[in-house]
Amino acid sequence: QVQLVQSGAEVKKPGASVKISCEASGYTFTSYYMHWVRQAPGQGLEWMGIIDPSSGSTTYAQKIQHRVTMTRDTSTSTVSMELSSLRSEDTAVYYCARDSAPVTSDYYYGMGVWGQGTTVTVSS
Amino acid sequence: EIVLTQSPDFQSVTPGEKVTITCRASLSIGSSLHWYQQKPDQSPKLLIKYASQSISGVPSRFSGSGSGTDFTLTINSLETEDAAAYYCHQSVGFPHTFGQGTKLEIK
Repeated sequence: QVQLVQSGAEVKKPGASVKISCEASGYTFTSYYMHWVRQAPGQGLEWMGIIDPSSGSTTYAQKIQHRVTMTRDTSTSTVSMELSSLRSEDTAVYYCARDSAPVTSDYYYGMGVWGQGTTVTVSS
Repeated sequence: EIVLTQSPDFQSVTPGEKVTITCRASLSIGSSLHWYQQKPDQSPKLLIKYASQSISGVPSRFSGSGSGTDFTLTINSLETEDAAAYYCHQSVGFPHTFGQGTKLEIK
């Protein structure tokens, strides 16, 4: 079955970086866009960015674009998200989520498959 | 950035009731609006795509409507398992954005 499995929880100090991985299985990895979404404690969902696994092309939210890097490894069907210069406001659960649209589409169809989430805690 | 505003923020409802959640976009987004359900300590789940298109495996009591700037998620005959937060999401342009969420409590 289609599945996204994320790496484990992280605790980081302010100013550090964190890299989270998301391994896809059950479908052709390069065929569907992948989003990253985060959720601060008790808060709503925040879109962080998207990667096209076939080309590696990315688009980031302006708020974090200077601190975030999304990459993919087609040999392991894994996408990764690295966030640098961490601050307390980055404490959140981070999700990878596969769009329902194929990368050949000009449109996005909603995030139909989600990872289990990775908790990142930023604390001194 | 397109802002999505949901209403209400919170609703306490009785099983069997019909529930309506609205999502208003700050600009016209056509039908590029999707709805998610998130239960406590779970990942979100896609309920409706493209404003009104159903998702396989989602109960038929969930339906969506609207286009342009005004959208509605309807839950017919609410069940206790529907206690959750509900979010709308627009995908017409970058950045994608989410509504602030609507929390449903079952009485």
